[in-house]
Amino acid sequence: TQLLEQSPQFLSIQEGENLTVYCNSSSVFSSLQWYRQEPGEGPVLLVTVVTGGEVKKLKRLTFQFGDARKDSSLHITAAQPGDTGLYLCAGLRTLLQGGSEKLVFGKGTKLTVNP
Amino acid sequence: DTGVSQNPRHKITKRGQNVTFRCDPISEHNRLYWYRQTLGQGPEFLTYFQNEAQLEKSRLLSDRFSAERPKGSFSTLEIQRTEQGDSAMYLCASSLGRQGDRGYTFGSGTRLTVV
Repeated sequence: TQLLEQSPQFLSIQEGENLTVYCNSSSVFSSLQWYRQEPGEGPVLLVTVVTGGEVKKLKRLTFQFGDARKDSSLHITAAQPGDTGLYLCAGLRTLLQGGSEKLVFGKGTKLTVNP
Repeated sequence: DTGVSQNPRHKITKRGQNVTFRCDPISEHNRLYWYRQTLGQGPEFLTYFQNEAQLEKSRLLSDRFSAERPKGSFSTLEIQRTEQGDSAMYLCASSLGRQGDRGYTFGSGTRLTVV
């Protein structure tokens, strides 16, 4: 069961365009992380957001965490072919007992940026 | 720091055979996780180790699956009597203590194909 819904599932755009990817959940997470994954490789961490309302920028990428810590967005400005990949959001759920934790992933948004 | 290393990268096995995968985490990371990813899906949590202790196992992990992390260093994931439904990418990740909020470092995965 995927607790995080990502939209859109697929996105194909031209180089230079802007785009936004959304990640929504009915659950509250202690933090939310965005990863980028290329075919045949493991996910690579882009950013972690922890505080409700937090905004982080990474070059042309802007990440926002919702005030209620249930949703997040990723905005890419002037997309380039090198941005092509699978973008995954993941929420961290910690259990009070035993110090256990679990990262719950969405299905991802497959982005293709055409030259 | 060479990152998280997984071996083998690819494994093709006949149905009914046993397979074992290895994960070498970043040396100072005390937390280690196994995830499984099938086509079109985000990674799904399998199990979590803090040092040598296995603190959580997903219901996805049937009794054919077993994971170990002797001495709190490398980890192995064994699948007994493999089935075609076990075909997937098996990902290992590690993180450092309470700073798990900073995100996980994933390996490149082991792609299992059961024929």
